Amino acid sequence: QVQLLQSGVEVKKPGASVKVSCKASGYTFTSFGINWVRQAPGQGLEWMGWISAYNRNTNYAQKFQGRVTMTTVTSTSTAYMELRNLTSDDTAMYYCARGGVAVSVHLDYWGPGTLVTVSS
Amino acid sequence: SYVLTQAPSVSVAPGKTATITCGGNNIGSKSVHWYQQRPGQAPVLVIYYNGDRPSGIPERFSGSNSGNTATLVISRVEAADEAVYYCQVWNGNNDLPFGGGTKLTVL
Repeated sequence: QVQLLQSGVEVKKPGASVKVSCKASGYTFTSFGINWVRQAPGQGLEWMGWISAYNRNTNYAQKFQGRVTMTTVTSTSTAYMELRNLTSDDTAMYYCARGGVAVSVHLDYWGPGTLVTVSS
Repeated sequence: SYVLTQAPSVSVAPGKTATITCGGNNIGSKSVHWYQQRPGQAPVLVIYYNGDRPSGIPERFSGSNSGNTATLVISRVEAADEAVYYCQVWNGNNDLPFGGGTKLTVL
């Protein structure tokens, strides 16, 4: 069965960076993409971007361009999302979700989320 | 960027039909996906490409899309359906918006 296992809770200070991991299992990693979606406390879902696990092409939401980097490591079937220059507005649950080889495909499996808190 | 508009809340009695809408400019020309998020849990895909159901999603869930409105219909509503439902489209140009979410309350 498809599973996405995410790294644990993070607490960061303003200005710092965070790197969240998402380890996939139960399917051929390079046949799909990985999306990153975040959700601030009590708020809705916000798409951050997508990476193809096949060729590592990326597509970032304009809001995060220049501040986010998404990568994959095929040998471990793991995707990573690094967000830099954190502010309190980045406090949120961060989800990885499996997508398609194209960024336009639906998100069919989601990880449990990684809580990132930014506080001085 | 492309805006998707959802009503904040919908209430329905058990066994009745819930209708959740998602408005967007000419949304009928796009593929709409729907997600269910129960409290404290990650979202779950319930409808993709306007009306297709993933395996494991009950037939009570259906979707349609035309004009400026996409619709998620939940028939014979159960207590377990109580959740927030989000619509989502791909708008191209680094834009994959979600609607604001509709909280379904089962009375």
